[in-house]
Amino acid sequence: QQQVKQSPQSLIVQKGGISIINCAYENTAFDYFPWYQQFPGKGPALLIAIRPDVSEKKEGRFTISFNKSAKQFSLHIMDSQPGDSATYFCAAGPYDYKLSFGAGTTVTVRA
Amino acid sequence: DGGITQSPKYLFRKEGQNVTLSCEQNLNHDAMYWYRQDPGQGLRLIYYSQIVNDFQKGDIAEGYSVSREKKESFPLTVTSAQKNPTAFYLCASKQGGGEQTQYFGPGTRLLVL
Repeated sequence: QQQVKQSPQSLIVQKGGISIINCAYENTAFDYFPWYQQFPGKGPALLIAIRPDVSEKKEGRFTISFNKSAKQFSLHIMDSQPGDSATYFCAAGPYDYKLSFGAGTTVTVRA
Repeated sequence: DGGITQSPKYLFRKEGQNVTLSCEQNLNHDAMYWYRQDPGQGLRLIYYSQIVNDFQKGDIAEGYSVSREKKESFPLTVTSAQKNPTAFYLCASKQGGGEQTQYFGPGTRLLVL
């Protein structure tokens, strides 16, 4: 049973465009929502994370939007660049040691 | 350099063989994790350990075993009971004291001969 549902499975965007990835969760005990970026053959690296006390967090071209009432959060990649081509995972966890991961979204940025 | 190392990068297993994947961290992190990654399924938790000499099963522990004899080491054994071991295995670690960010190693790809 997947506790975090992620969509789309893959997307293609032109250079300079906006990539949007959505995630939904059910467990109201979740209070930490990170996004990880993974390049082929490498381990995931933390990209940006948010707590439910804020509705948006921005770091450079990456923004997380969080909707607590809908139990949804999303990643926006602005001005997408070819170097952003990777697989992105959302995750969620309660205030303990376990995270639940989404299935991942493969983003391809075409020059 | 501080970080997490996993070895080997590629590992081949024969039928009926047990193999052990290494994970070492020099970040002085308290918690360590093992995940399995399959195409289209994200990361699934195999085992995790919050302190030395203690570990808990994750969502897919059957056919795997771990030990945590030292803070910096958390080896994973894929036993012959794991009938579909081909996957990318990722080790991660996390500081204690309320910190929630997990840091991942570079992974080991296990293939069955």
